[in-house]
Amino acid sequence: NAGVMQNPRHLVRRRGQEARLRCSPMKGHSHVYWYRQLPEEGLKFMVYLQKENIIDESGMPKERFSAEFPKEGPSILRIQQVVRGDSAAYFCASSPLTGEPYGYTFGSGTRLTVV
Amino acid sequence: KQEVTQIPAALSVPEGENLVLNCSFTDSAIYNLQWFRQDPGKGLTSLLLIQSSQREQTSGRLNASLDKSSGRSTLYIAASQPGDSATYLCAVIVTQGGSEKLVFGKGTKLTVNP
Repeated sequence: NAGVMQNPRHLVRRRGQEARLRCSPMKGHSHVYWYRQLPEEGLKFMVYLQKENIIDESGMPKERFSAEFPKEGPSILRIQQVVRGDSAAYFCASSPLTGEPYGYTFGSGTRLTVV
Repeated sequence: KQEVTQIPAALSVPEGENLVLNCSFTDSAIYNLQWFRQDPGKGLTSLLLIQSSQREQTSGRLNASLDKSSGRSTLYIAASQPGDSATYLCAVIVTQGGSEKLVFGKGTKLTVNP
């Protein structure tokens, strides 16, 4: 079991470019969550998705950020027109079901640097 | 709004010591609680998951307790080793309106000196 796979591990973008972060959940997991860790801050919830469905995006900035989890392929977190403040580590987690005592499994993260 | 606090923010101990990391949360209506370890520049490794109906969980040298009524959890590490040096994160799992999410504390950075 390869675990939660995130790529790229590191991403450098110039201000105004687009960033695409990918996450493949663990085999058998149908729930994906994205979290952001700003420097010297704790991890903050961004969005919760199931296949083809956004369940909760209450933690997502209203502009420039979007997420999807298509029927086939990885979940994508997309940041348009990046700014310096978007520089952070973005982590993806997956779980098999909600309401069950399985806990969450996290990927290694994507470290986004905006220059 | 659920808030999670971890004390201390940093801790430095000599190898071999037993130590306790503290976590408190403001709303006792949690589903579960999970402790993680994060090494510098790395992802999160799950250490222990405590269901809301449980009072403690053990794995090797680690023991985590949960007291929902007082809004507290502790992570006990026995016979600490330099390899235990990392940031330890406490997170409560909350459910609301069909959604589920983790609310994290800012962590305790542990250094175990040889």
